[in-house]
Amino acid sequence: QSALTQPASVSGSPGQSITISCTGTSSDVGGYNYVSWYQQHPGKAPKLMIYEVSNRPSGVSNRFSGSKSGNTASLTISGLQAEDEADYYCSSYTSSTLVFGGGTKLTVL
Amino acid sequence: EVQLLESGGGLVQPGGSLRLSCAASGFTFSSYAMSWVRQAPGKGLEWVSAISGSGGSTYYADSVKGRFTISRDNSKNTLYLQMNSLRAEDTAVYYCAKGIQLWFPFCLDVWGQGTTVTVSS
Repeated sequence: QSALTQPASVSGSPGQSITISCTGTSSDVGGYNYVSWYQQHPGKAPKLMIYEVSNRPSGVSNRFSGSKSGNTASLTISGLQAEDEADYYCSSYTSSTLVFGGGTKLTVL
Repeated sequence: EVQLLESGGGLVQPGGSLRLSCAASGFTFSSYAMSWVRQAPGKGLEWVSAISGSGGSTYYADSVKGRFTISRDNSKNTLYLQMNSLRAEDTAVYYCAKGIQLWFPFCLDVWGQGTTVTVSS
């Protein structure tokens, strides 16, 4: 149950686009279309932003999109806004367990 | 409104036990798998355990296997986590979360506010 690999931090200016990667193995990210992305603001509970690689829950802005290629999943946020500044976590199903990434801190400059 | 409300956290000595509860409302509880996820102070999210909608299947992270037990009472719309043989490294905020399918919570679409567990002498 090794954690998925995410960059520790990314940054961007308002209006720009950023992409956060999430690298796993063929046993997790690459083996299933059960990759999710969560946003967490300080002191708050996580919020589901993307599920099953590229699906957005109702109410989540279409500025958020997800994709996957091989063992790496990606979250792209377009038209960055100040309220997007938060920690982002990916997760994947693997062998009857869930594994999370280490998290990425997004800073909006 | 779909809501999850955790309770039962607190300060416990190493080797002690604690039972967390999560009261669910606003959805058909028995139709969804549920999960516990924890977050140590200043750290990332760690999946702890999951249970199918019927309660017949349970799943655990290696770090808690044999020490923690997940269960649910569908008549009371409540999820539980019995934590035994607690260690300092179990100190964390524990979140209850709802899956979007019946047999395993592949993704977690609703989260509680969390309950804090501190293991210290």
